[in-house]
Amino acid sequence: DGGITQSPKYLFRKEGQNVTLSCEQNLNHDAMYWYRQDPGQGLRLIYYSQIVNDFQKGDIAEGYSVSREKKESFPLTVTSAQKNPTAFYLCASSDWTNNQPQHFGDGTRLSIL
Amino acid sequence: GDSVTQMEGPVTLSEEAFLTINCTYTATGYPSLFWYVQYPGEGLQLLLKATKADDKGSNKGFEATYRKETTSFHLEKGSVQVSDSAVYFCALSPSGAGSYQLTFGKGTKLSVIP
Repeated sequence: DGGITQSPKYLFRKEGQNVTLSCEQNLNHDAMYWYRQDPGQGLRLIYYSQIVNDFQKGDIAEGYSVSREKKESFPLTVTSAQKNPTAFYLCASSDWTNNQPQHFGDGTRLSIL
Repeated sequence: GDSVTQMEGPVTLSEEAFLTINCTYTATGYPSLFWYVQYPGEGLQLLLKATKADDKGSNKGFEATYRKETTSFHLEKGSVQVSDSAVYFCALSPSGAGSYQLTFGKGTKLSVIP
């Protein structure tokens, strides 16, 4: 079945540590996205990528970094500069054309030790 | 910029009750509109969509009609079940080339009790 796989499901970060969240898709979608979800705040866009080797900052990119070396993969690194990283992180993908919905993974919950 | 406003939750209904979750938007032109559902501990799933004025999206007994004149896309279901308990998100994708990011509302949590 085609879909989006995020791993790990739960992740813990120590102070001053960088952690990387994995996102892989086999839907052959050009575009991929990372969102952060906090209680009562909906989804906020961190980064998105339209094509391989290109990505753009979203609304809350500070303290995060991404890469897009392969069409299928869009890992997100939460750096030590992100002072409040505890959240639920969602990866999505879509065709980069109008009217197309985004397809989501099951998320990674990141907590601070 | 574009924005989506949906009714604050939580909403608690008895099984078989009628559901309405209001959603209004601000955007230029004719955006595409979506409803997503999120079950506990999971990602978002597309529930339904509408891409032009007066379109009605429907799925699993849920319906929403794209009303350009009132800039609304309210979600309705005639008879809810306990399994419908989830968080519902309204979202829009702007019209025009090269701008296909989604703008989400804050979500409305629905709890259905037997």
